[in-house]
Amino acid sequence: NAGVTQTPKFRILKIGQSMTLQCTQDMNHNYMYWYRQDPGMGLKLIYYSVGAGITDKGEVPNGYNVSRSTTEDFPLRLELAAPSQTSVYFCASSYSGLAVDNEQFFGPGTRLTVL
Amino acid sequence: GDSVTQMEGPVTLSEEAFLTINCTYTATGYPSLFWYVQYPGEGLQLLLKATKADDKGSNKGFEATYRKETTSFHLEKGSVQVSDSAVYFCALSEDDYKLSFGAGTTVTVRA
Repeated sequence: NAGVTQTPKFRILKIGQSMTLQCTQDMNHNYMYWYRQDPGMGLKLIYYSVGAGITDKGEVPNGYNVSRSTTEDFPLRLELAAPSQTSVYFCASSYSGLAVDNEQFFGPGTRLTVL
Repeated sequence: GDSVTQMEGPVTLSEEAFLTINCTYTATGYPSLFWYVQYPGEGLQLLLKATKADDKGSNKGFEATYRKETTSFHLEKGSVQVSDSAVYFCALSEDDYKLSFGAGTTVTVRA
């Protein structure tokens, strides 16, 4: 199993551009998550999904959109990129929720810079 | 709201030294507590966890005990190796989805 894969690894965007961060998992996990990590800060939850067709906002959803058309894929869309979105983005997945003792598995991250 | 405060780094140690990384938390209820580790170039991995007061999580020689009275979950290892060089994150969860993370502590172990 490849686990959770993310593409691209690095990206530089200009202000106002758009892009999609890709996330795929091959573990047949139901739950998927997007986090961002700013320098010197902990990870913050952007969006999560408990299954195909179901998504919900996390702690910092503004400026982002997600979709979940398949179990495997959970892309994160940035519209009108802003310097405040410069961060490292992590995708994660789990079979079920934390309350039933499930571990979240993380991808290696995408480092995004908006200039 | 929930929050996690962990010891600032970076921490540099020699091989076989004792490692402690302090972690304290603020929560409204009875959270589950976690330590995650991130090795260079990789994603975060769960290192250990504890789900109720006085539980001790352990893995790979690392230990942490859930102390409700001091709202702490300090990570310890008795004898570190170069391969333990990584960033360590303390985290908590009070619901099914959201993990609240500390800022991370970078640990470098020198041979």
